[in-house]
Amino acid sequence: QSALTQPASVSGSPGQSITISCTGTSSDVGSYNLVSWYQQHPGKAPKLMIYEVSKRPSGVSNRFSGSKSGNTASLTISGLQAEDEADYYCCSYAGSSTLIFGGGTKLTVL
Amino acid sequence: EVQLVESGGGLVQPGRSLRLSCAASGFTFDDYAMHWVRQAPGKGLEWVSGISWNSGSIGYADSVKGRFTISRDNAKNSLYLQMNSLRAEDTALYYCAKGLGAAAATGDFDYWGQGTLVTVSS
Repeated sequence: QSALTQPASVSGSPGQSITISCTGTSSDVGSYNLVSWYQQHPGKAPKLMIYEVSKRPSGVSNRFSGSKSGNTASLTISGLQAEDEADYYCCSYAGSSTLIFGGGTKLTVL
Repeated sequence: EVQLVESGGGLVQPGRSLRLSCAASGFTFDDYAMHWVRQAPGKGLEWVSGISWNSGSIGYADSVKGRFTISRDNAKNSLYLQMNSLRAEDTALYYCAKGLGAAAATGDFDYWGQGTLVTVSS
């Protein structure tokens, strides 16, 4: 079980759009539409932003969207806001009742 | 209001055991899968273990398989993690997390506790 691969950091200016990638393998991301994304602010518990690749939980802004192509899932944040600055993690089902997280991406809003 | 309250963390010597508990309230506990996720200081999230609503499906990360045991008591609305043969690399904040559905095979955790800190050191 190797962690899913995410860029260590991304940045963008307010109002812009950014995309965070999450690359796995044909045994996890590529095989199941069970990718979720989490936002974590410093000192806080993670918050579910996207589940099942592209579904948004109630209360999550529609500025957040998810997609998947092959072994890579992506989280896009449009209309970037200061409060979006946080760490973001992807998570995928990996078979046999196991899950795996990505290494995390630090988003900086310039 | 959904609440997940972890307890049982602390300082423990390598090789010893610890049992974490998670008390759940505000939802029908036995309708949902539950998970443990940990975060080492300054590091990322790591899924540790998950259990389906009826304990029929259980999974573990390779890093803890054979040492940790997850269980639940639906009558007590509680989730547990028995941790044996603890190692320094198990030092982390351990979160209890609720699944969106009943199956353990999805990584959609819609509620999290505030975590309980486990420190493994001599």
